[in-house]
Amino acid sequence: GAVVSQHPSWVICKSGTSVKIECRSLDFQATTMFWYRQFPKQSLMLMATSNEGSKATYEQGVEKDKFLINHASLTLSTLTVTSAHPEDSSFYICSARDPPGGGAKNIQYFGAGTRLSVL
Amino acid sequence: TQLLEQSPQFLSIQEGENLTVYCNSSSVFSSLQWYRQEPGEGPVLLVTVVTGGEVKKLKRLTFQFGDARKDSSLHITAAQPGDTGLYLCAGVYNFNKFYFGSGTKLNVKP
Repeated sequence: GAVVSQHPSWVICKSGTSVKIECRSLDFQATTMFWYRQFPKQSLMLMATSNEGSKATYEQGVEKDKFLINHASLTLSTLTVTSAHPEDSSFYICSARDPPGGGAKNIQYFGAGTRLSVL
Repeated sequence: TQLLEQSPQFLSIQEGENLTVYCNSSSVFSSLQWYRQEPGEGPVLLVTVVTGGEVKKLKRLTFQFGDARKDSSLHITAAQPGDTGLYLCAGVYNFNKFYFGSGTKLNVKP
C-alpha cells in the first residue's frame, strides 16, 4: 500500500517559537493532503486540506495565520505552527489521498503522527 | 459537533467475547472507511465500503454499510487482546470531504 512519512515524530519547543512538520508521500503523488489534530483519547479533527500549488482550505475555527500550510510539490506538504503556545500541544497527523482526485473510495493513507509539546 | 457518531465510546470485554461498534450520521456518505489506531501512531485502514448494503469480512471482523449509506457497523467475533485499540470510522462526503467519527476505545482483557 501507499506510504506516507511524517517528520518529526516528536518535538518539544519553547513557547513563542515556531515548529515545522513535514508530510511526504513516498511512493505516489499526492495533489491533496490533509492535516488533522488529535487530543488524548479523542478522534481526529480535520484542520485543513492542503492543495498542491494553491492555498490550503481551512476548517472553521482553525487559524490560518497560526497553522501555516505549504504544499509546494506533489509529494510534500508542511504544517508550521507559528508562535506556539502550550495549548497548541497535541498530536498532529497528516494524510494523503489516493487516488489523487478522490472519488468514491477516496482512500487516505496516514503518517505516523507528530507529538508536539510546547513548554 | 461530530458529523459521525460512534457508539459505544468505550468498551472493555473479556477475550473470546463478541462486540459491535456502530457509526451513524444523518448525512449520506460517498463511502465509509474503518481504521484502527494504536497510541502514538497514525490510523491504519481496515476496510472501505462503497455500496449501500455492502458487507465485507476481514478474518474475525465483519463490516456492514447501511442500505441508505448513512450508517455502518463493525462486528468482531471472539475478540483477542491484540484487537485492543481505538477504532475510527471515517465518512467521505460528496466524494471529497473526509471526516472521522468520535471513536471507540476497545480494551480486550486476557
